[in-house]
Amino acid sequence: GAVVSQHPSWVICKSGTSVKIECRSLDFQATTMFWYRQFPKQSLMLMATSNEGSKATYEQGVEKDKFLINHASLTLSTLTVTSAHPEDSSFYICSARPGQGSGYTFGSGTRLTVV
Amino acid sequence: AQTVTQSQPEMSVQEAETVTLSCTYDTSESDYYLFWYKQPPSRQMILVIRQEAYKQQNATENRFSVNFQKAAKSFSLKISDSQLGDAAMYFCAYRSPLLLGTSGSRLTFGEGTQLTVNP
Repeated sequence: GAVVSQHPSWVICKSGTSVKIECRSLDFQATTMFWYRQFPKQSLMLMATSNEGSKATYEQGVEKDKFLINHASLTLSTLTVTSAHPEDSSFYICSARPGQGSGYTFGSGTRLTVV
Repeated sequence: AQTVTQSQPEMSVQEAETVTLSCTYDTSESDYYLFWYKQPPSRQMILVIRQEAYKQQNATENRFSVNFQKAAKSFSLKISDSQLGDAAMYFCAYRSPLLLGTSGSRLTFGEGTQLTVNP
């Protein structure tokens, strides 16, 4: 089946540094990738929608300069958390839809801890 | 904007029994898609079942079935013969019809229901 590979699965970084999270569609082309944030025992909150070859669309309240999204190819989208702070600690998940009539495939998520 | 509501933050069921998780949604669209996703402790999101609004027949996938009531905007999930591996957070999700030429539109998730399966 369709797979979205997300890396890293777990990262600890120091406050003020930047962290890049990658999502790759392994066996399909993803023209659109969705990035979510999830706090413990809560639902997924859509942060932004990335479209291949164009600027990402950010949800209201999401700082686009802090959460940089790049979707340079049909199989790779990245989320960079810039100048990370402890409040950015969370679980980040990407998702894409493999094709017409299918559901969405999710990456395995990245647990970010900022210390 | 569409909203999805799951009014049961937690549910529990005995192994081999049946449990029903509730979901209601609000939309002005006539054609849309509804999903149930499962998120086990690994936190990997797994598609359980999906329903196209234009289909009157309720979707089924092995032990999982839905009760789709379009007029009432209700989409409940029934899990039969519950197994220990069914323990997870379950999310109901809504998706608008696709725009021509795009590869998808966003999913709107409910708050989730934490299901515990007791042996």
